[in-house]
Amino acid sequence: EAGVAQSPRYKIIEKRQSVAFWCNPISGHATLYWYQQILGQGPKLLIQFQNNGVVDDSQLPKDRFSAERLKGVDSTLKIQPAKLEDSAVYLCASSTRPGHDVEAFFGQGTRLTVV
Amino acid sequence: AQSVTQPDIHITVSEGASLELRCNYSYGATPYLFWYVQSPGQGLQLLLKYFSGDTLVQGIKGFEAEFKRSQSSFNLRKPSVHWSDAAEYFCAVAGGYQKVTFGTGTKLQVIP
Repeated sequence: EAGVAQSPRYKIIEKRQSVAFWCNPISGHATLYWYQQILGQGPKLLIQFQNNGVVDDSQLPKDRFSAERLKGVDSTLKIQPAKLEDSAVYLCASSTRPGHDVEAFFGQGTRLTVV
Repeated sequence: AQSVTQPDIHITVSEGASLELRCNYSYGATPYLFWYVQSPGQGLQLLLKYFSGDTLVQGIKGFEAEFKRSQSSFNLRKPSVHWSDAAEYFCAVAGGYQKVTFGTGTKLQVIP
């Protein structure tokens, strides 16, 4: 079974530029998560989708971050414009359904460096 | 609000020695508790989880964890560490409909 695919693996951009990350979840997984993991910290949930609808985006900085999952399958996370403090690893995860009793599977992440 | 504390930022153990990673949580009721492992350049992998029932939980790769309600702890243990266990370990808590909250992680170094 293929895992969660993310691209690119690494990205370096200058501040005020824009960037986009892509995630393809495990086939059949209705729930998709984007996490931000800053160096030295644990992952923080940015947004959770159920199919193509947003379940939770309370920690997404909406003035610069956006995410979509138009067809309920793959998803894109965008930052525009980027700030230095956005340097982090962005992890995508998916699960068959919402709920803490269901395992979420993580991708390898995209490491973003903003200079 | 729920929270997780992993008091040890970095731990070094010798290969073959036993391991215990500490985790303390804050939550008003019985939480969902998790341990994840993250190898360099990899995503997180679930080692084990606790929801209810037996307070001693067995996971993958020979890991186990014990839920102690009186101490608000969920410590991870392994009787004999292998060099391949070197990684970063995250404890996480979730309650009810709240999102999962991760600790800041413990980096494990294994020396031969």
